[in-house]
Amino acid sequence: NAGVTQTPKFRILKIGQSMTLQCAQDMNHNYMYWYRQDPGMGLKLIYYSVGAGITDKGEVPNGYNVSRSTTEDFPLRLELAAPSQTSVYFCASSHLFGDTQYFGPGTRLTVL
Amino acid sequence: SQELEQSPQSLIVQEGKNLTINCTSSKTLYGLYWYKQKYGEGLIFLMMLQKGGEEKSHEKITAKLDEKKQQSSLHITASQPSHAGIYLCGADGRGNNRLAFGKGNQVVVIP
Repeated sequence: NAGVTQTPKFRILKIGQSMTLQCAQDMNHNYMYWYRQDPGMGLKLIYYSVGAGITDKGEVPNGYNVSRSTTEDFPLRLELAAPSQTSVYFCASSHLFGDTQYFGPGTRLTVL
Repeated sequence: SQELEQSPQSLIVQEGKNLTINCTSSKTLYGLYWYKQKYGEGLIFLMMLQKGGEEKSHEKITAKLDEKKQQSSLHITASQPSHAGIYLCGADGRGNNRLAFGKGNQVVVIP
């Protein structure tokens, strides 16, 4: 099992550009999550999904969109990138309610 | 929202010494998770605690959750350079599997 994979590992965007951060898991997990981590801060939940076709907002959803068309994939879309979105983005998944969340290696995004 | 306070913010210990870091919540927790993060890498799951008074150990790391389920400690015995990193606690405060995280404890182990 590859676990949770994320692409790309690094990306630099110009203000106003858009991009999609990819996340995939091969553990057949129902729950998937997107977090952002800013320097010196904990992780903040952006969006999460409890299954294919079902997504919901987390703590800091503004400026982002998600979709969950399959169990395996949970892409995060940034529209009109802003410097405030410079961060490290982590995707995670868990099998059931209350189960441990397993994290991907992260995507480091810089918006200039 | 769930507030998690981690202390101390950073800690420098000599190799072979013990260390303890803490995670305190303002609310009763449904679950408390400890993760370790090395710079530039993802989070590695360490332990999960759910019951008041629960204690779990893995190799030289022991985590405890107090009876009120509002405070957890992580203790490392005879620290090694491999224990260096940022330790994050995450808490499920509402039983909805949405984790809130503390800012982390940075641990440095000096050979």
